[in-house]
Amino acid sequence: ELQLVQSGAEVKKPGESLRISCKGSGYSFASYWITWVRQVPGKGLEWMGRIDPSDSYTNYSPSFEGHVTISADKAISTAYLQWTGLKASDTAIYYCARWARATGIDFWGQGTLVTVSS
Amino acid sequence: EIVLTQSPGTLSLSPGERATLSCRASQRVSSSYLAWYQQKPGQAPRLLIYGASSRATGIPDRFSGSGSGTDFTLTISRLEPEDFAVYYCQQYDSSPPFTFGPGTKVDIK
Repeated sequence: ELQLVQSGAEVKKPGESLRISCKGSGYSFASYWITWVRQVPGKGLEWMGRIDPSDSYTNYSPSFEGHVTISADKAISTAYLQWTGLKASDTAIYYCARWARATGIDFWGQGTLVTVSS
Repeated sequence: EIVLTQSPGTLSLSPGERATLSCRASQRVSSSYLAWYQQKPGQAPRLLIYGASSRATGIPDRFSGSGSGTDFTLTISRLEPEDFAVYYCQQYDSSPPFTFGPGTKVDIK
């Protein structure tokens, strides 16, 4: 069964660091890009960036580049989204998702709620 | 960066009616790399349509996508109760960022 299982909800203070994870199973993890998508509660979807787990090549949206880091460890079929200085405006649900040129985003993780509050 | 605009913002319809959702791109989306997703409250989005007109696995045939270039349409031929949700289009043209539209909410009239 195809699965993307994300790490659990996080509550952090402004300025803190955080890494959330996304573990794939039921398919060849290195054969599909992993995309990260942000959704502020009650708002729309924002494409943050993507990674090719086979070689860790990444692309970022200009809106997020420099503020987050996307990485992956293909040996354990896991992708990561990392911050080194969280802001209150980072409060959102973060989805990882499987992407391929042929089909777009064809499978989504369950989402990770990140709350940043002093 | 390609900007997507969706209209209307909200569509109020009754079960059994036809829904027509529009997605317009600020520049041509080559090779029809345009997808539609459905999102229900508290759930992750779900792929409905990719390549502008291909239904994803398991998607009922009342959902159809059409269009090319800068104008794309998602049609739901007869709304079922489970179809009331928010719908997003996304372009995944040649180079990132692969932007989403702002969404269209289909709610019960």
